[in-house]
Amino acid sequence: QVQLQESGPGLVKPSETLSLICSVSGASLNGYFWTWIRQPAGKSLEWIGRVHTSGTKDYNPSLRGRVIMSLDTSRSQMSLRLNSVTAADTAVYYCAREDRYGEKYLFFSDLWGQGTLVTVHS
Amino acid sequence: DIQMTQSPSSLSASVGDRVTVTCRPSQGIITNLNWYQQKPGKAPKLLIYAASNLQSGVPSRFSGRGSETDFTLTISGLQPEDFATYYCQQTYIKPWTFGQGTKVESK
Repeated sequence: QVQLQESGPGLVKPSETLSLICSVSGASLNGYFWTWIRQPAGKSLEWIGRVHTSGTKDYNPSLRGRVIMSLDTSRSQMSLRLNSVTAADTAVYYCAREDRYGEKYLFFSDLWGQGTLVTVHS
Repeated sequence: DIQMTQSPSSLSASVGDRVTVTCRPSQGIITNLNWYQQKPGKAPKLLIYAASNLQSGVPSRFSGRGSETDFTLTISGLQPEDFATYYCQQTYIKPWTFGQGTKVESK
């Protein structure tokens, strides 16, 4: 059974860097996109970006170059770094696996971690 | 970015009811549309992918249809465990975007 688990500090100071790890068990990272999605309290979901074992990375332009994602296949981990955080970055952060369907690659997130709350506050 | 508009934002229904949620993207997305269910304090769960494909393990009372700019999620015979918030997501043009959610509450 594939499981994803987010970990990292729950409190980050403004202007500092948010760093999270997603540990994947029960499956290889190979062949999939691995994605980060966040959700402020009481609001909808925001796609942060994704990374593939091929090296392909896609980030949400709304984050204005503040985000870096990477994969460590030897440890079955994915990481997220978001720098220069503000209170607007306070949210539950989810990692998820992104699979695809069909020849035209219709993507969807089929497996999710439980999420981790990150609060930006001094 | 593609804007995803769901309607209604919330609805009240009873067990056994047929419930329909609509999602309208700001531009055509062919069938690159997914539906998720989220319960309080939990991660979203994939229900439907590529507009009409039922994810493995999801009850058949859930169904999806539509294309381009008009999509629906239908629950045929609402069950107590279906009271939750439902989100649509487009994966046609990056960045992927979600609807604002539809909360299904007990009448």
